[in-house]
Order: sequence, then structure tokens, then C-alpha cells
Amino acid sequence: GAVVSQHPSRVICKSGTSVKIECRSLDFQATTMFWYRQFPKQSLMLMATSNEGSKATYEQGVEKDKFLINHASLTLSTLTVTSAHPEDSSFYICSARSGTVADTQYFGPGTRLTVL
Amino acid sequence: AQSVTQLGSHVSVSEGALVLLRCNYSSSVPPYLFWYVQYPNQGLQLLLKYTTGATLVKGINGFEAEFKKSETSFHLTKPSAHMSDAAEYFCAVSDRAGGFKTIFGAGTRLFVKA
Repeated sequence: GAVVSQHPSRVICKSGTSVKIECRSLDFQATTMFWYRQFPKQSLMLMATSNEGSKATYEQGVEKDKFLINHASLTLSTLTVTSAHPEDSSFYICSARSGTVADTQYFGPGTRLTVL
Repeated sequence: AQSVTQLGSHVSVSEGALVLLRCNYSSSVPPYLFWYVQYPNQGLQLLLKYTTGATLVKGINGFEAEFKKSETSFHLTKPSAHMSDAAEYFCAVSDRAGGFKTIFGAGTRLFVKA
């Protein structure tokens, strides 16, 4: 099956710094990528949808200036958490979808962000 | 807008017993329905999905789910629980009206007792 990778798997940073998380589709072209956030023992909350070559669409309540999403190629999307604060600590999961298969998303393994 | 309700945040069964995880959805157009499993500190693994056609869907690891439009349900079952089934399970829905964004339920933690 299709594979989606995320890097890094874990990151610890100081408050006020920025952190970039990469999401790559390894064996297919991902026209659409999704970014989710998951707090401990909770469900996944969709943060934004990104289509290759265009601006991301953010869900209500998600600060687009804080969570910068770039989908510059058909295999790579990045999420940058700017000026991170402890409350940004969470599990971030990306998923990718091929434009030809609307019903299937492939999820990455997630990135655990801890902001001190 | 789509939504998903999973009844029961925790379900506990004995090894070998029937597993039943409940999911009800809301969608204004024909939905796509999914069940995912998540092990601690890992991403999501697709168990099964319903898009069109046969309403009884079989997935991996012996799981299956039945789409019941009249009940707006998509309950997940497995005839005999195994210790390795202990995990978090998420029901999810997407549809054309929502741009095929996937909306997740709150999740159900399955415990399997020896």
C-alpha cells in the first residue's frame, strides 16, 4: 500500500522557537494533504487542507499565521509551528490523498511535538 | 456538515468474546465511512471502508462493519477478540459535500481481558 512518512517523529523545542514538520508521500503523488492535531486521549482534529501549488485551507479556529503550511510539490507538505508555546505540544499527523482516489487517505506515523 | 458519534469511550471485552464498537454518522449526501485503529504513539491504520456497493464490509484482522443507511450506523464487529486488538478505534466519515475531508469520531478505547 501507499506510504506516507513524517519527519521528525519526535521533536522537543524551547518556547518561542519555530519547528518544521515534513510529510512525504513516498510512492504516489499526493494532490491533497491534510494536517491533523491530536491531544492525548482525544480524537484527531483537522487543522488544514493543502492542495499542491495553492494556499492551504484552514479549519475554523486554527491560526494560519501560527501554523504555516506549504505544499510545494506533489510529494511534500510541511507544517511549521511558529513561535511555539507549551500549549502547542501535541501529536501532529498528516495524511495524503491521490487526486484519482477521493475515498482513500494514507496517514503518516505522526510527530510528537513537545514545547518546553 | 458531516459528523460522527462513537458510543462508548471505553469498551472492555474478554479474550475470545465478540467485539462491537458503535458508530453513527450524519451526512447530507451519500457518505464514505471508515474505521481506523491507532496503537499508542503511532499513526492510523485503516481497518476497512465503505464507499458504495455491498453494505457489509470486511477488513483486516477479522474485523467487519455494516453500513445501515436507515439507522445511519456503521458499527464495527469482530467475532472473537484477541489481546492484540487492544487499541484506540476511530470511526470517520467523508463526503463530496465536505470536499472529502475526513471527520473523525471521538474514538473508542478497546480493552481486552485475558
